[in-house]
Amino acid sequence: NAGVMQNPRHLVRRRGQEARLRCSPMKGHSHVYWYRQLPEEGLKFMVYLQKENIIDESGMPKERFSAEFPKEGPSILRIQQVVRGDSAAYFCASSPNVVGTGSGNTIYFGEGSWLTVV
Amino acid sequence: DAKTTQPPSMDCAEGRAANLPCNHSTISGNEYVYWYRQIHSQGPQYIIHGLKNNETNEMASLIITEDRKSSTLILPHATLRDTAVYYCIVRGYTGNQFYFGTGTSLTVIP
Repeated sequence: NAGVMQNPRHLVRRRGQEARLRCSPMKGHSHVYWYRQLPEEGLKFMVYLQKENIIDESGMPKERFSAEFPKEGPSILRIQQVVRGDSAAYFCASSPNVVGTGSGNTIYFGEGSWLTVV
Repeated sequence: DAKTTQPPSMDCAEGRAANLPCNHSTISGNEYVYWYRQIHSQGPQYIIHGLKNNETNEMASLIITEDRKSSTLILPHATLRDTAVYYCIVRGYTGNQFYFGTGTSLTVIP
């Protein structure tokens, strides 16, 4: 069973360009989560999506960042007009259903996409 | 979500048991305790989770105190490949997200 697949693994963008990061969840998983990890810092939650719905985007920066999870295809994290402070590792995770405390289900992470803004 | 407190760093001799503590004194009755680890430059890896009872799998054991205010992750025979940052997370009912703290940086020493 393939794990969570993220691509590209490494991306270099000049300031002002757009970055698109893709995430394909594990087979059978319909929920996707994006996290950001700045250099030497911990993982910060950004957004939680189901197919065609954003469930929680409380961790997303208000400007330049957007995420989608279409009916078909991978989830996309889009960063417009990148700045050097966007340089970070972006991790995607997926789960098979609503991760409620009653079920005790967990989420599984991909290997990350490393964005470098020059 | 309940807050968790972990020591920032620990060392463990190779082949010995690594015991990583976590305090979660404000945990609610329906909240689970999860453990993940992150090896440098890799994605976080799920280790184990539990509610009340102690749990064991092929990677580790999780010991939760009777009052559930603290827990310990045990790696029975630590290897150099276990060097990583270990995160203890308590997930609440209000959301489906996992909130990561600063974790414990475990160094396994040859």
